[in-house]
Amino acid sequence: DAMVIQNPRYQVTQFGKPVTLSCSQTLNHNVMYWYQQKSSQAPKLLFHYYDKDFNNEADTPDNFQSRRPNTSFCFLDIRSPGLGDAAMYLCATSRELAGNPERFSRFFGPGTRLTVL
Amino acid sequence: AQKVTQAQTEISVVEKEDVTLDCVYETRDTTYYLFWYKQPPSGELVFLIRRNSFDEQNEISGRYSWNFQKSTSSFNFTITASQVVDSAVYFCALTGDSNYQLIWGAGTKLIIKP
Repeated sequence: DAMVIQNPRYQVTQFGKPVTLSCSQTLNHNVMYWYQQKSSQAPKLLFHYYDKDFNNEADTPDNFQSRRPNTSFCFLDIRSPGLGDAAMYLCATSRELAGNPERFSRFFGPGTRLTVL
Repeated sequence: AQKVTQAQTEISVVEKEDVTLDCVYETRDTTYYLFWYKQPPSGELVFLIRRNSFDEQNEISGRYSWNFQKSTSSFNFTITASQVVDSAVYFCALTGDSNYQLIWGAGTKLIIKP
């Protein structure tokens, strides 16, 4: 089945220790997103890639970076995690086709729950 | 500015009851898209439906149905004969025609008691 995969599902890191979360997809979608979701809140968009073009949200801290080496994979790097970065991180994909409403449907992975000690 | 309001923070019903989750939106875009997502305790966001602003037809999928009313800017979601597996947080979301930002409601936590 075509899907969005996130590894690991649970990640524990120490305060200030860099951590990388990974996302892969078999949907062949050209847009990939990273969201942060804190407890009892809606997801918050951090950034997205349209093919290789990186688009950062204005309020995304510099501590968060991303890489997309190819269509299938996308990584979220947190350079110096703070206690406030503990959250669920969700990867999502969509297929951008001009004029096609399907492009607005996002498909989410299962998420990685990050704990910062 | 765009906004999505889910006024019901939490709803608790007994299994087999029908339940409606409310969603009210604000947008100045003439073309926009509305969504419902389900988030069970496992955390994954499950896409349920996308509705285009130019299509006011209501939709039914099994026990799920959606009522889109442009006149009242509402996109309500009804679960018929609820089951324990329907317990989750449900999010309503909105996007315009030309951006990648989804505007999310605060979510409604639905608890189905056996």
